[in-house]
Amino acid sequence: DTGVSQDPRHKITKRGQNVTFRCDPISEHNRLYWYRQTLGQGPEFLTYFQNEAQLEKSRLLSDRFSAERPKGSFSTLEIQRTEQGDSAMYLCASISGNGLGEQFFGPGTRLTVL
Amino acid sequence: AQTVTQSQPEMSVQEAETVTLSCTYDTSESDYYLFWYKQPPSRQMILVIRQEAYKQQNATENRFSVNFQKAAKSFSLKISDSQLGDAAMYFCAWGAQKLVFGQGTRLTINP
Repeated sequence: DTGVSQDPRHKITKRGQNVTFRCDPISEHNRLYWYRQTLGQGPEFLTYFQNEAQLEKSRLLSDRFSAERPKGSFSTLEIQRTEQGDSAMYLCASISGNGLGEQFFGPGTRLTVL
Repeated sequence: AQTVTQSQPEMSVQEAETVTLSCTYDTSESDYYLFWYKQPPSRQMILVIRQEAYKQQNATENRFSVNFQKAAKSFSLKISDSQLGDAAMYFCAWGAQKLVFGQGTRLTINP
């Protein structure tokens, strides 16, 4: 399977704990995006990378959130000191070129903060 | 800022019938794409159809077609000959460097 993969698929944590998610994009895609989707809503943009450079961050991405793409391949999204409001589906997507066109989505990581 | 509005939270249609999902958007940019994505229950987002803003001709993909009205900033999706497998959440999205999604329309297909 050469699609976008995400790990883990589900994560349950207690409030105040740190969590880290991983996304592996389609191998030839230079752009990688993170979105957050709460129940019954459309995904909201968090941040994106072109190769290893983080080019834009949403205001939704508080200082408790950090994303990296150190070698321009896989990416990690870390949430520190989780809060119940962080419970959501975290989606990763990738695309080649300048970002115009279809983004290919992974299955998402569902985070539940107790 | 770009916004996307889907005014129909839920729609239902009889199998084999035609249904149209509405979407309006707001942007000041001239170069962008518009998309309809489908998200089946507990499954990942997949592209249904896309439209380049500079193209006047409406996009078509098999049973799926769009009505793109650029001046009105309207981008509706028509599904013909609806099938049970079409049941899903449908999201309209505006895209340039990132995607901006609407709130979604839950489509139910009645057998």
